Amino acid sequence: TQLLEQSPQFLSIQEGENLTVYCNSSSVFSSLQWYRQEPGEGPVLLVTVVTGGEVKKLKRLTFQFGDARKDSSLHITAAQPGDTGLYLCAGPPAKSYKYIFGTGTRLKVLA
Amino acid sequence: NAGVMQNPRHLVRRRGQEARLRCSPMKGHSHVYWYRQLPEEGLKFMVYLQKENIIDESGMPKERFSAEFPKEGPSILRIQQVVRGDSAAYFCASSPPSQGARYGYTFGSGTRLTVV
Repeated sequence: TQLLEQSPQFLSIQEGENLTVYCNSSSVFSSLQWYRQEPGEGPVLLVTVVTGGEVKKLKRLTFQFGDARKDSSLHITAAQPGDTGLYLCAGPPAKSYKYIFGTGTRLKVLA
Repeated sequence: NAGVMQNPRHLVRRRGQEARLRCSPMKGHSHVYWYRQLPEEGLKFMVYLQKENIIDESGMPKERFSAEFPKEGPSILRIQQVVRGDSAAYFCASSPPSQGARYGYTFGSGTRLTVV
């Protein structure tokens, strides 16, 4: 079974703190995407990482794809209340058209 | 340049009624995917369709649920004889034919189905 496990499942931090969310699998993925979902809305695509070892930055968010393309991380610097939401990693396992979603990380940033 | 459009946003049905959820993909996207999200849970794949074809329906319950994506018009997810356990948010996503899932999907805002 191809799974994407995210950790932590829940995270509550103060404004200004840094945090890292992890997305791990035993399978190789062709690419990985990170989404953020706010209450009552659909997931919004934040980034796609394709190459092993790739690092992408989006303002205060840094995304990394593991060298073996089995894991990814999302690091947020100086978190703000607007970062609050459900963060989902997802992707197509290599040699498969299927698309797998991670278990999700619920982030709450307190002002 | 409209995104993925889903309607209605909210749908209330009594037990035993039918629910019809509609999804219009982004312009130029011919692949449509339906996902279900229960409260406080992640997204579960239901069905993958291309125009006039069901490619993968392995995530869809075999009874009461059906999906179509006709040559003209939106994709429809149909739930017959709804039960309370069908209450969930149903999301539609689309992707262009050349990319598949490699660069991710564009999601609609979802339809929240409540069965009373």
